[in-house]
Amino acid sequence: DAKTTQPPSMDCAEGRAANLPCNHSTISGNEYVYWYRQIHSQGPQYIIHGLKNNETNEMASLIITEDRKSSTLILPHATLRDTAVYYCIVRASNDYKLSFGAGTTVTVRA
Amino acid sequence: EAGVVQSPRYKIIEKKQPVAFWCNPISGHNTLYWYLQNLGQGPELLIRYENEEAVDDSQLPKDRFSAERLKGVDSTLKIQPAELGDSAVYLCASSRDRMNTEAFFGQGTRLTVV
Repeated sequence: DAKTTQPPSMDCAEGRAANLPCNHSTISGNEYVYWYRQIHSQGPQYIIHGLKNNETNEMASLIITEDRKSSTLILPHATLRDTAVYYCIVRASNDYKLSFGAGTTVTVRA
Repeated sequence: EAGVVQSPRYKIIEKKQPVAFWCNPISGHNTLYWYLQNLGQGPELLIRYENEEAVDDSQLPKDRFSAERLKGVDSTLKIQPAELGDSAVYLCASSRDRMNTEAFFGQGTRLTVV
């Protein structure tokens, strides 16, 4: 019952910015947007989350549209080690559960 | 700081045999999760613990699956008997508490039932 829609796959060039889109048109006011990624043979790893303001950390930036119906995760300088499945997840502030969809398989090419 | 530790990393068993997976969460993390991940899909929650109490096991197939978290630290997930369809990756995760924003995942146990 994932509440998000992501493209199944995308390629990007090493050293370039990778922009990963996510649609969450039914998001509620108390729901945050989370991003996790899963590198092959590893468990998911937290990247970033936000409510309505744009967020940035050492890994990525999260841009949320004003109507909050979509967002974009930006990896500013993609490296080969960023090749992974990226999950966009909507989670209420009082909810402990992470509901993963199929995610976007991102392949960074040299 | 050590991350979430799971063992074994890989397990191959014959159908109808029992199997158990072990998880050691990050020290001080009260909330522990078990997730199931089928090939090509995202993880799905099986059970959540708050300390030693299973507070959400609605997705756990209770006819063959069981879990415990004695003393509110380590946890064990068991399948008895295993079926071919149980082949998947079993992931353990922990967070400081139920409202903590970040969950930390282990590397998972890849189960193959033959």
